[in-house]
Amino acid sequence: NAGVMQNPRHLVRRRGQEARLRCSPMKGHSHVYWYRQLPEEGLKFMVYLQKENIIDESGMPKERFSAEFPKEGPSILRIQQVVRGDSAAYFCASSPQTGGSSPLHFGNGTRLTVT
Amino acid sequence: AQTVTQSQPEMSVQEAETVTLSCTYDTSESDYYLFWYKQPPSRQMILVIRQEAYKQQNATENRFSVNFQKAAKSFSLKISDSQLGDAAMYFCAYRSATQKLVFGQGTRLTINP
Repeated sequence: NAGVMQNPRHLVRRRGQEARLRCSPMKGHSHVYWYRQLPEEGLKFMVYLQKENIIDESGMPKERFSAEFPKEGPSILRIQQVVRGDSAAYFCASSPQTGGSSPLHFGNGTRLTVT
Repeated sequence: AQTVTQSQPEMSVQEAETVTLSCTYDTSESDYYLFWYKQPPSRQMILVIRQEAYKQQNATENRFSVNFQKAAKSFSLKISDSQLGDAAMYFCAYRSATQKLVFGQGTRLTINP
């Protein structure tokens, strides 16, 4: 059973470009979470999605950031017009069901570098 | 909002010794779950141990155990017989019924041979 797959592993963008980060949850998992980690810091919650629904986006910046989890295909975190402050590691996690006891399974992250 | 605090940015321990990492949290909820995750240099987030708040018994996974003090809102991680492979960042995390996992700032653990 493959784990949570994130790609690309590394992404370099120039200021003003768009970044698209992909996440395929574990098989059978219908809940996806995105987190951002700045160097030497903990993971900060961004957004929680189920298929075709955004459940909690309280951690998403109001502008330039969006996320989706379509009926078919991976979840996408999209950052428009990237700035240097967007440089970070972005982690996706998935869980099989509702209920706080289900641990989140994390991907290996995408390291975004904005030059 | 729930917060998780890890007051030790760095810890070190001699190989084969025991070390305890501290974590406190703030919540008004009664039903929640607590986790410790390990992040080695590979950046992968690995679940170490979890604790249900309704259980009084402390969770144990091989060399890893927790000291869960619900009234004090404390959730420390004890690593016994430390091994070189235990070197990593350790994150304490809280999860409520609303599903969102909230992380502490992390503790960097160094194992001295």
